[in-house]
Amino acid sequence: SAVISQKPSRDICQRGTSLTIQCQVDSQVTMMFWYRQQPGQSLTLIATANQGSEATYESGFVIDKFPISRPNLTFSTLTVSNMSPEDSSIYLCSVEMEADTQYFGPGTRLTVL
Amino acid sequence: AQSVSQHNHHVILSEAASLELGCNYSYGGTVNLFWYVQYPGQHLQLLLKYFSGDPLVKGIKGFEAEFIKSKFSFNLRKPSVQWSDTAEYFCAVKISNDYKLSFGAGTTVTVRA
Repeated sequence: SAVISQKPSRDICQRGTSLTIQCQVDSQVTMMFWYRQQPGQSLTLIATANQGSEATYESGFVIDKFPISRPNLTFSTLTVSNMSPEDSSIYLCSVEMEADTQYFGPGTRLTVL
Repeated sequence: AQSVSQHNHHVILSEAASLELGCNYSYGGTVNLFWYVQYPGQHLQLLLKYFSGDPLVKGIKGFEAEFIKSKFSFNLRKPSVQWSDTAEYFCAVKISNDYKLSFGAGTTVTVRA
């Protein structure tokens, strides 16, 4: 497996602002993923981030709202732009390691007021 | 599209009781199957996985799961639960050769001492 860290672990933000979430892995990985877990719900994939290419977004998620960077094989960022209270969620990054298995970071708990 | 169903939203048990959580998926081809657990205040952890071979797989902390292809099921079991098994449990399915991991809605398990 891998050691995955996320920053910040939690934040409270005002509507209309943006927050950038960082995900750091202790080993080089090709595929990184960003998920959203809304209160009381399951995980929904936002996008897949591969190093050296544009992120691939799932239906219902757009780059203008959730821009993603993947500058190298150990790091990625997700920005939640122009936030509204509906964006209050836990945001998780994950990486795909051996045998097509995903491992998850601790998550970033975002509250938008 | 792939869908994953977890039949129980909330299960309440006493210590030493047996636990079985249901998981069904919709895809008819080859799949990789996972159970993840999220303990209170902790991040999502891999409990066990099935890719091929023996359909009865054993995971960490005494958990096991059985893949029944004819029923499109991957139920999680533990013969005797402990208070520390209180957590949220997620079933996840990945179509072979695809990167996407689809999650069920999750089951909250509460074990009473």
